[in-house]
Amino acid sequence: KNQVEQSPQSLIILEGKNCTLQCNYTVSPFSNLRWYKQDTGRGPVSLTIMTFSENTKSNGRYTATLDADTKQSSLHITASQLSDSASYICVVSSTGGGNKLTFGTGTQLKVEL
Amino acid sequence: EADIYQTPRYLVIGTGKKITLECSQTMGHDKMYWYQQDPGMELHLIHYSYGVNSTEKGDLSSESTVSRIRTEHFPLTLESARPSHTSQYLCASSGGGGVNQPQHFGDGTRLSIL
Repeated sequence: KNQVEQSPQSLIILEGKNCTLQCNYTVSPFSNLRWYKQDTGRGPVSLTIMTFSENTKSNGRYTATLDADTKQSSLHITASQLSDSASYICVVSSTGGGNKLTFGTGTQLKVEL
Repeated sequence: EADIYQTPRYLVIGTGKKITLECSQTMGHDKMYWYQQDPGMELHLIHYSYGVNSTEKGDLSSESTVSRIRTEHFPLTLESARPSHTSQYLCASSGGGGVNQPQHFGDGTRLSIL
């Protein structure tokens, strides 16, 4: 069964600090891995999409890494801001079954003063 | 900001009522999706469409139905709402250019059935 597991489930950090969120997956055959940011009461917004051949991709203060061999990804947030408080969702796309997406349950990040 | 809109944002309604959740996008995307999301849980695909007059059921069984008469419009209907339908419903769309295109999400409809 295709699964995406994220850790930690929740995280509280001080403004200005860095943090790293983890994503492990068992999706096969693999097509791409996506990170989304979902603010409370809003829809998810795409941060990065990485294919099999990409090891790292950045979007401003967000940097995602992918190790397709160990089926692990991380999302690193640099110099956190209060506006980074949100749920961060890891999503893995499979080439089988019409590019089906498997969603993680997200890491709830809270940035405090 | 993606140009995909959902109405209403919130709906509280009694059991047995017919409900239509609206979703429209102005990006000309062929692919559209409906997801169901409960608090703290992952998104589950309930319906999708790859173009006009094309609709398919997703992974999660749902009593809702959808239609795709126009490219920009993908409404979801519940003929007779029940408390078990209480959830957040998210609409998304994606364009051409291969499988690595992101899905653009609306802000969702939070549905509560009394």
